[in-house]
Amino acid sequence: DTTVKQNPRYKLARVGKPVNLICSQTMNHDTMYWYQKKPNQAPKLLLFYYDKILNREADTFEKFQSSRPNNSFCSLYIGSAGLEYSAMYLCASSRTLGGREQYFGPGTRLTVL
Amino acid sequence: QQKVQQSPESLSVPEGGMASFNCTSSDRNFQYFWWYRQHSGEGPKALMSIFSDGDKKEGRFTAHLNKASLHVSLHIRDSQPSDSALYFCAASEPSNYAQGLTFGLGTRVSVFP
Repeated sequence: DTTVKQNPRYKLARVGKPVNLICSQTMNHDTMYWYQKKPNQAPKLLLFYYDKILNREADTFEKFQSSRPNNSFCSLYIGSAGLEYSAMYLCASSRTLGGREQYFGPGTRLTVL
Repeated sequence: QQKVQQSPESLSVPEGGMASFNCTSSDRNFQYFWWYRQHSGEGPKALMSIFSDGDKKEGRFTAHLNKASLHVSLHIRDSQPSDSALYFCAASEPSNYAQGLTFGLGTRVSVFP
C-alpha cells in the first residue's frame, strides 16, 4: 500500500484561530514532508521530519509548527491562521535511502475567512 | 525568481501524438531531477527520476538530462487521454540526507481525441 492519507480534505478556518492538519502513511517511511501550494504557484516545501528530527524552511520557520508522535503520523499546526494561509497543503513521505521518491497525499484545502 | 522553470505553461497534443516539455534549473546545486504528474483531485505522483546525463526511458515516457546546462525534458510517446494532467519538474541537491524538493510551476498537458 503506497497511500498517504490526509485529514481533513477540506478545512474552513477563521482568521486568528488555530488549524491542525493530519497526515498518515503505513509504508514505514522515515521522512515526512509538508508542502504548501497556492494557485498559479509551485508547491513550496514548508518543513520535513527525518525520523524525529524536524527541519523547517527559513522563510516559514515561525509560521508553521509540526509534530510526529510516531513513524506513521505527522501534523501541521498553524497557531493563528491568517488569510495568507489559504492554500492546498500537501503531505508526502519517502524512504531516505533507495531512490527517495516522495509519495504524496491528496492534499487538504484550507480556506481562511 | 523560480529556481526551477518549466515551459511551456500548457500544451495540447492529439491522442497518439508526442508531448514534449522542458525544465531548467538556475541553481547549479540541483543535480537530481524528478517528473511528477498530478491529476485533478489527487496529489502529485512520481513518474520518473533522472540523475545522470542522457536519456532514461520508462514505457512511453522518456526523460533527457543535460547536466552542463541543467536542462531536463520529458517526452510522452503515443499520448493517451489519461495523460491529460499537470506535470511538475522537481529538483534537489545530491545528498545522502533527507531533503525536500524544489518544484516548478508545472506544464498542463491536454490530450484531445
